[in-house]
Parts: sequence; C-alpha cells; structure tokens
Amino acid sequence: ELKVEQNPLFLSMQEEKNYTIYCNYSTTSDRLYWYRQDPGKSLESLFVLLSNGAVKQEGRLMASLDTKARLSTLHITAAVHDLSATYFCAVDMEAGGGADGLTFGKGTHLIIQP
Amino acid sequence: GAVVSQHPSRVICKSGTSVKIECRSLDFQATTMFWYRQFPKQSLMLMATSNEGSKATYEQGVEKDKFLINHASLTLSTLTVTSAHPEDSSFYICSARGQGISPLHFGNGTRLTVT
Repeated sequence: ELKVEQNPLFLSMQEEKNYTIYCNYSTTSDRLYWYRQDPGKSLESLFVLLSNGAVKQEGRLMASLDTKARLSTLHITAAVHDLSATYFCAVDMEAGGGADGLTFGKGTHLIIQP
Repeated sequence: GAVVSQHPSRVICKSGTSVKIECRSLDFQATTMFWYRQFPKQSLMLMATSNEGSKATYEQGVEKDKFLINHASLTLSTLTVTSAHPEDSSFYICSARGQGISPLHFGNGTRLTVT
C-alpha cells in the first residue's frame, strides 16, 4: 500500500521568511504532484514532477523530486500572506500513472502572518 | 488549459434521499475520471475510478451500491449518493486527466450536507 507522508502538517510563519514542506512516499513512483487548496475550494495544480532531480519553480514556490530518496520538497521563498493555504503532495498509486488515482498526503496547513 | 466542471457546487438534502453530482471534462476527453471525498480538515480520499463504458472500480470500504457511478461518455461521469445519511455529508471532488503526461485536473467540488 502506497503511503504518502507530509510534514509539517501545520506551519505558521512570518512574511519574508523561507521554509520547506517535505513529502515522503513509500513505494516507487516517478510522478509526484503538488496542489494548493484554499478554504472551501477545490485543488489547484502547482507542479508536476516527473523524473529524478526534477526541479520546478513558479514565483516564490519551488518543488523538487528525489526518486531515490522517495522525497519531494516544496520550498517557499520570502513568504507573502497570499500563499496561506493548504498544500498537498500526491503520488500516482501505481508506477507509470495514467489510469490510476492519486494518493494524497495529509496536507500542510500554512498560515503566513503579515 | 484543461478544465473540469462539477455541478452542483453545493447541495442540501434530507436523509434518505438521493443526490446526483455531475463531472464534465470541458475541453478534453477523459476515459478515466476519479471521485474523491474530503472530510473537514482532512486529506482527499479516492473513492472510485470511473471508466467510460465499463463498471467503476471502487476503493476498499466504499459501498458501490450506495455510491453509484456512471461514465456514459468521454466527457461526463456522474456520482449518485443513494439514500443519503448525515455521515455522507462531505466535500466530493471529481478529477480527470488529459492526454499524455499531465496533472489530474480537479472539479470545483460539491459540498453535500445531509440533514
């Protein structure tokens, strides 16, 4: 059974600070996704990471993937209040992806204090 | 980009009634759609995989007779919650994947409240 563990589950930080969210998963997978969810809303796709060493950046967010360590990180640089949300990592339930759903981490509830 | 439309966004129903939720892929064909459920302050849990033209595949612990899934076309999947009870109150989200390597795109979700 694929397990996806995120930490921390809750993070309160100040604006302009940097921080990293970690996502570990238990079985071999070469597709990892990061999503953002605002309260009462659905999920917004942030990043799709498809290979070992993949790094993607969008604004103040940067995601990376180490398939050997089964670890992905979401790094926040110089946080701003608008980034407050819950962030989920998710992994394809079987290697190769495609017709299978995702297994989600528990999510990281991020609050950025002005 | 790919868009998934879900309807209704919010529904309140009485215990014992049935509710149908629609999920449409607007600009791509989706042979497979996924239905998730999310309880407050929790993560998303996959309920079932909806396959166009064939029976849905349900995750362990999800009652297939209670959560009826129909995937009648390449752009539409429906989830019907039958004989709803208060414990079925939740946020239901559908998703679909476009062609090739792409993220799962999620509908806007349906907030179901059973009174």
